[in-house]
Amino acid sequence: AQSVAQPEDQVNVAEGNPLTVKCTYSVSGNPYLFWYVQYPNRGLQFLLKYITGDNLVKGSYGFEAEFNKSQTSFHLKKPSALVSDSALYFCAVRDSGAGSYQLTFGKGTKLSVIP
Amino acid sequence: EAGVTQFPSHSVIEKGQTVTLRCDPISGHDNLYWYRRVMGKEIKFLLHFVKESKQDESGMPNNRFLAERTGGTYSTLKVQPAELEDSGVYFCASSQAFVNEQFFGPGTRLTVL
Repeated sequence: AQSVAQPEDQVNVAEGNPLTVKCTYSVSGNPYLFWYVQYPNRGLQFLLKYITGDNLVKGSYGFEAEFNKSQTSFHLKKPSALVSDSALYFCAVRDSGAGSYQLTFGKGTKLSVIP
Repeated sequence: EAGVTQFPSHSVIEKGQTVTLRCDPISGHDNLYWYRRVMGKEIKFLLHFVKESKQDESGMPNNRFLAERTGGTYSTLKVQPAELEDSGVYFCASSQAFVNEQFFGPGTRLTVL
């Protein structure tokens, strides 16, 4: 079975400061990892993914995430937060060795960037 | 390029009634998925189509839910009869290939009274 944990329901950060949204995962095989963002009254928007290769992946809007196999983590980061980054962020995982394509999501972390 | 579209955006029905949700994937995407988020809970997988075939329906909660993808293009998800616990947001997603990210639609918010 695969699972994702997002330990923080909410993260508050001041505009201009670095932000981190935490994610840990559990899969039987090798993970495919994804971050999605949901703005109010909108659908899920893809931010970035880790499939293989470099542990640091860069995505849309200046976001990046670091895959850490030993800690089974895939934290989302941004060097300088913008007010417009305020949204709900979801981490998701898929087992690369499983026959299913289904994504397993975390509960989501609400990010609030304070002006 | 048009994204994944879903119709309706909102639906309010009485317990026992039937509702049909529609999803139009991104053109050329063979893979189509349905997910559901019940209030306050995680987004949960329902099923996966490859073209017109059901590849994985392990997440379907019970036989009141019926998904179809005739012709391998758009998909419908029918709930019959609807129960109170079916309320939530139903997301559709599509992707091109095995490792590619899934692109999500805006969701259909279903309220069963």
